Amino acid sequence: DAGITQSPRHKVTETGTPVTLRCHQTENHRYMYWYRQDPGHGLRLIHYSYGVKDTDKGEVSDGYSVSRSKTEDFLLTLESATSSQTSVYFCAISEDSYEKLFFGSGTQLSVL
Amino acid sequence: GIQVEQSPPDLILQEGANSTLRCNFSDSVNNLQWFHQNPWGQLINLFYIPSGTKQNGRLSATTVATERYSLLYISSSQTTDSGVYFCAVELGRDDKIIFGKGTRLHILP
Repeated sequence: DAGITQSPRHKVTETGTPVTLRCHQTENHRYMYWYRQDPGHGLRLIHYSYGVKDTDKGEVSDGYSVSRSKTEDFLLTLESATSSQTSVYFCAISEDSYEKLFFGSGTQLSVL
Repeated sequence: GIQVEQSPPDLILQEGANSTLRCNFSDSVNNLQWFHQNPWGQLINLFYIPSGTKQNGRLSATTVATERYSLLYISSSQTTDSGVYFCAVELGRDDKIIFGKGTRLHILP
């Protein structure tokens, strides 16, 4: 299995608070992705990174920011969480954009 | 805009049956993959298949890029095949890998 660790695995927070989710990989892969999964929507791309300090927006990036200061870590930040951001968040990695994608175990986030 | 459509949305089959899942996409594809999400939420990569045919045990996949579709075949279904199957594509060359909404498969014992 690809070495991908997401933390925390579960989090409950209140509306308006900042939240940071972490994705850590041990594969030295260039690409890292953040997706959210909601019933009826499948997986939707939030942001992705194609190298250290190189990031771009996905389909549903409003309300989210990301940072990648090291190859192994990709952080997703909700500056001011809202109830609509309650979701399961998945991190994924790939060696390149035309290579297989591997997923972490997900983070269940509840915003009350 | 970018379109990735999967059909059928839901499928219920008896153990031992065969099934075909379809993924249609709206543009040329550089990267097409099939995933299985098991009932515990884990996402497993089944195939990387931007074109051609691949087989892995009871599963096989075919992508016809010129006609903009891919098919996932599951033969002799087992209860462990239950879950949601997703197709994901990179359309054009923008590095964004977009998912369809999935096909939920339920195999009855």
